[in-house]
Amino acid sequence: DAGVTQSPTHLIKTRGQHVTLRCSPISGHKSVSWYQQVLGQGPQFIFQYYEKEERGRGNFPDRFSARQFPNYSSELNVNALLLGDSALYLCASSWDRRNTEAFFGQGTRLTVV
Amino acid sequence: AQTVTQSQPEMSVQEAETVTLSCTYDTSESDYYLFWYKQPPSRQMILVIRQEAYKQQNATENRFSVNFQKAAKSFSLKISDSQLGDAAMYFCAYLLYNQGGKLIFGQGTELSVKP
Repeated sequence: DAGVTQSPTHLIKTRGQHVTLRCSPISGHKSVSWYQQVLGQGPQFIFQYYEKEERGRGNFPDRFSARQFPNYSSELNVNALLLGDSALYLCASSWDRRNTEAFFGQGTRLTVV
Repeated sequence: AQTVTQSQPEMSVQEAETVTLSCTYDTSESDYYLFWYKQPPSRQMILVIRQEAYKQQNATENRFSVNFQKAAKSFSLKISDSQLGDAAMYFCAYLLYNQGGKLIFGQGTELSVKP
């Protein structure tokens, strides 16, 4: 069975641009969460979606948004990119709303120049 | 506020030896989950072991086991018979499931394994 897949794996963007990151959960998983991991730190929670509705939001500005599609895949959008948005963006999926067993994808490395 | 603290930025172990990674957390909740994740250079976060707070018995997964001390809010990971493939960054995490299934991670401990 395929695990959590994320695309693209690497991305370079210019300040002020917009970026869309994509995530496909494990088959049967209805919960998708997004995390930002800055170099040298632990991941920070951005969003959780379950059954296509936002169930949790971390302390990130409104430039960050996300959505979940009927097939449970998800997109993370970031507008007006800043240099500080450079990070590894991780997607995790879980079968349950509480995320009691979350499985992560390999991440998207975003570099803002 | 819930916090997770890993006080050992780096640890080293000899192959085949045992190593313990420390983690403490702060919460006012009585029911929660704790996890250890491994992140090798490939960057993928891999679930190592999970502990449910209401369970008294410490979780075990093959060579990996935890020492869960609920009153002390301590959750350490013991790796027995260390292997070269165990070298990675290890993160302790607390699940805040009444706030959207939010995982709160510690700062990580980088484990190196010497042959």
